Amino acid sequence: GENVEQHPSTLSVQEGDSAVIKCTYSDSASNYFPWYKQELGKRPQLIIDIRSNVGEKKDQRIAVTLNKTAKHFSLHITETQPEDSAVYFCAVNTYFGNEKLTFGTGTRLTIIP
Amino acid sequence: DSGVTQTPKHLITATGQRVTLRCSPRSGDLSVYWYQQSLDQGLQFLIQYYNGEERAKGNILERFSAQQFPDLHSELNLSSLELGDSALYFCASSANYGYTFGSGTRLTVV
Repeated sequence: GENVEQHPSTLSVQEGDSAVIKCTYSDSASNYFPWYKQELGKRPQLIIDIRSNVGEKKDQRIAVTLNKTAKHFSLHITETQPEDSAVYFCAVNTYFGNEKLTFGTGTRLTIIP
Repeated sequence: DSGVTQTPKHLITATGQRVTLRCSPRSGDLSVYWYQQSLDQGLQFLIQYYNGEERAKGNILERFSAQQFPDLHSELNLSSLELGDSALYFCASSANYGYTFGSGTRLTVV
């Protein structure tokens, strides 16, 4: 089955700096790559996603890049703010219709004021 | 409100007991997924149902079972509960790409 590795497991950055979280996957047929943000005790929420026919996608301070050849994708958060502190999960899916997502192990991001 | 409804929000029960967690997916979503999240842990996939049929199975214990009803709501049954079953249980639904998660049920076994 699909295997997803996520690094780092914890990340602390100064407010205003950038944060980068990286995931690698094993199944070359994977074609959908979402990122979820989970605040303490709350549900994971989709923050950005990318499909395999696109190399990069941006939404304000958040961007995701995909390298299908190397089978890795990354989340980039610029101009970090205290409210960015949370656990971030990457996921992959091989879409043939309602296939389950396989999640990475999560990255706890702490923004230092 | 995500559109995915989970009840109850909190549940405290004793070891050896049985509980039922309920999930109503977003309107129109045929797939329901159940995940377990222990303290400071990742999201462990338990089981998926699609339009009433079991679609995929993950690391679900034999003491746990689930079903999806004709109205597409799903129930996760946990029996012979152990202390280690204490966790957040999330349900998610999807139509095509991606999931929408419910707010979860926090289960505490004492």
